[in-house]
Amino acid sequence: EVQLVESGGGLVQPGGSLRLSCAASGFTFSSYFMHWVRQVPGKGLVWVSRINSDGTGTTYADSVKGRFTISRDNAKNTLYLQMNSLRAEDTAVYYCATYGLGSPCWGQGTLVTVSS
Amino acid sequence: DIVMTQSPDSLAVSLGERATINCKSSQSILYSSSNKNTLAWYQQKPGQPPKVLIYWASTRESGVPDRFSGSGSGTDFTLTISSLQAEDVAVYYCQQYYTIPLTFGGGTKVEIK
Repeated sequence: EVQLVESGGGLVQPGGSLRLSCAASGFTFSSYFMHWVRQVPGKGLVWVSRINSDGTGTTYADSVKGRFTISRDNAKNTLYLQMNSLRAEDTAVYYCATYGLGSPCWGQGTLVTVSS
Repeated sequence: DIVMTQSPDSLAVSLGERATINCKSSQSILYSSSNKNTLAWYQQKPGQPPKVLIYWASTRESGVPDRFSGSGSGTDFTLTISSLQAEDVAVYYCQQYYTIPLTFGGGTKVEIK
């Protein structure tokens, strides 16, 4: 069964850092591009970042460029999102997702709250 | 960026009646190499992650009831719930995965009339 499981969310102060993880199973993780998408509670879905299959190519939304870093460890079947200089407007549920398997596959999300 | 415009914003339908949601992309999302439209539909209930209903614009995800169907090509797409059930109350989103940034429609809230 294809599965994505996010972790690492929590409460952090403005200006702080947090690293999210997404553990993949049930497919050949190293073969697929991966994405992070976020959703402010009660609002819509917004794409955050993408990484290619071997980790050498990354793309970011303008709102997080220079503050967030996407990476992956194909040996551990894990995707990461390092979030620095966090702002209140980064408060959201963060989902990892992939689109190369035929149907889109999403995790259950992890909540990040940026507040003092 | 490809803009996804969903309509209506909300929809109230009687149980057993048809619900139709529209989604329009600002440019074609037809992948010429595969002749497939890179359009997905999601259902989201409160406190839950989005659930994939439809991908490639018209392919139903495994386990999704056949009252859900997707249609359209190029820039205009439709999600139809043929006979609304109580458990279909949710917010529905369309999304293009043709190019980065991935973009989503604003969502359609479906309620029971």
